[in-house]
Amino acid sequence: DVKVTQSSRYLVKRTGEKVFLECVQDMDHENMFWYRQDPGLGLRLIYFSYDVKMKEKGDIPEGYSVSREKKERFSLILESASTNQTSMYLCASSPEGVGYTFGSGTRLTVV
Amino acid sequence: ILNVEQSPQSLHVQEGDSTNFTCSFPSSNFYALHWYRWETAKSPEALFVMTLNGDEKKKGRISATLNTKEGYSYLYIKGSQPEDSATYLCASSNTGGFKTIFGAGTRLFVKA
Repeated sequence: DVKVTQSSRYLVKRTGEKVFLECVQDMDHENMFWYRQDPGLGLRLIYFSYDVKMKEKGDIPEGYSVSREKKERFSLILESASTNQTSMYLCASSPEGVGYTFGSGTRLTVV
Repeated sequence: ILNVEQSPQSLHVQEGDSTNFTCSFPSSNFYALHWYRWETAKSPEALFVMTLNGDEKKKGRISATLNTKEGYSYLYIKGSQPEDSATYLCASSNTGGFKTIFGAGTRLFVKA
């Protein structure tokens, strides 16, 4: 059964902390994505990567960075967490940019 | 239309009812339209990916249609069951597939 695994289901962090959200896929997909989902809004793209060490900004990259050192792992980094980054974060992968396989999400609360 | 818009925002139906939702999307530079089902505490699950105008796809009691010229897609559920309760997400990808815009979803509640 193919999978996208996110390391944490729930996280609570303090304002100003550096936060790492990890995502691993076992499907050998080139493309990986980080989205956030907030009530009443669609999934918004933060960053995506189409190859190892490659990254592209999405629609809302401010306050975030990413790392893709290996094909199967795509990490989202909150450099200095703020309360407006409280959200559900979803990782996804795709072999061709269309038709995603999603992780189960990380609900992050910043206090 | 610049965004993907889904309606209604939420829907409450009785078991056995048939229902449908709408997804409106930008028709320019269209490449693909996706539907996902997202159950609470689970990953969004792909239902359909459609690319051609007039496409109709079916999976069990769920079906979808696509009109790329006018920029809309319908998702139909026949004989709703409580296990159909979920958020149904629609997403539109432009040419190349990297610019994918998601709608806010339709939250379906099916009462037994």
